Amino acid sequence: IAGITQAPTSQILAAGRRMTLRCTQDMRHNAMYWYRQDLGLGLRLIHYSNTAGTTGKGEVPDGYSVSRANTDDFPLTLASAVPSQTSVYFCASSEQGGTTDTQSFGPGTRLTVL
Amino acid sequence: GQNIDQPTEMTATEGAIVQINCTYQTSGFNGLFWYQQHAGEAPTFLSYNVLDGLEEKGRFSSFLSRSKGYSYLLLKELQMKDSASYLCAVRDGDYKLSFGAGTTVTVRA
Repeated sequence: IAGITQAPTSQILAAGRRMTLRCTQDMRHNAMYWYRQDLGLGLRLIHYSNTAGTTGKGEVPDGYSVSRANTDDFPLTLASAVPSQTSVYFCASSEQGGTTDTQSFGPGTRLTVL
Repeated sequence: GQNIDQPTEMTATEGAIVQINCTYQTSGFNGLFWYQQHAGEAPTFLSYNVLDGLEEKGRFSSFLSRSKGYSYLLLKELQMKDSASYLCAVRDGDYKLSFGAGTTVTVRA
């Protein structure tokens, strides 16, 4: 099934632990994005990648890192998790360059840091 | 950066019409999007406006006024399945989206 997959679906993590959230898309989209969604704040961009091999910082990048070794995968790493990183994380992708350039979202990862 | 405002909640009756307003202040503008998000699910694309005017898609319509920094999403003939959050998002010149906090619409029988 074409689209975006994320893993894990949910995770409870002890503070200070390292965690990588996985994101894979099979639509051959150039651009990929990571957002966090918190109640009352909406979706906020953490990091993005316009094409394989490049990444950029979004609105709330601190405490997170990303890599884009190939077109399909865009993992998000929390080097040392803190409770304020408790959130729902969404990965998204888009073709980029088109007029509409709609972002498609993965199902999300619910992360709880204790 | 972007500053995007939309109401927190709205309630309407099945079969009615609801209009969700969105105002924005931007440092760059390259289109406005509306997404629908059901509880516990991912956002899904509803509509896109880049020029002033109304875009109609079945029961949903979206309007944009760039000079006023204003958009609305109109939901007609409301159905129970339309109960969801509706997210207004502005795209900047770098193709990045900034989202409003979302409007939760509750449809009552």
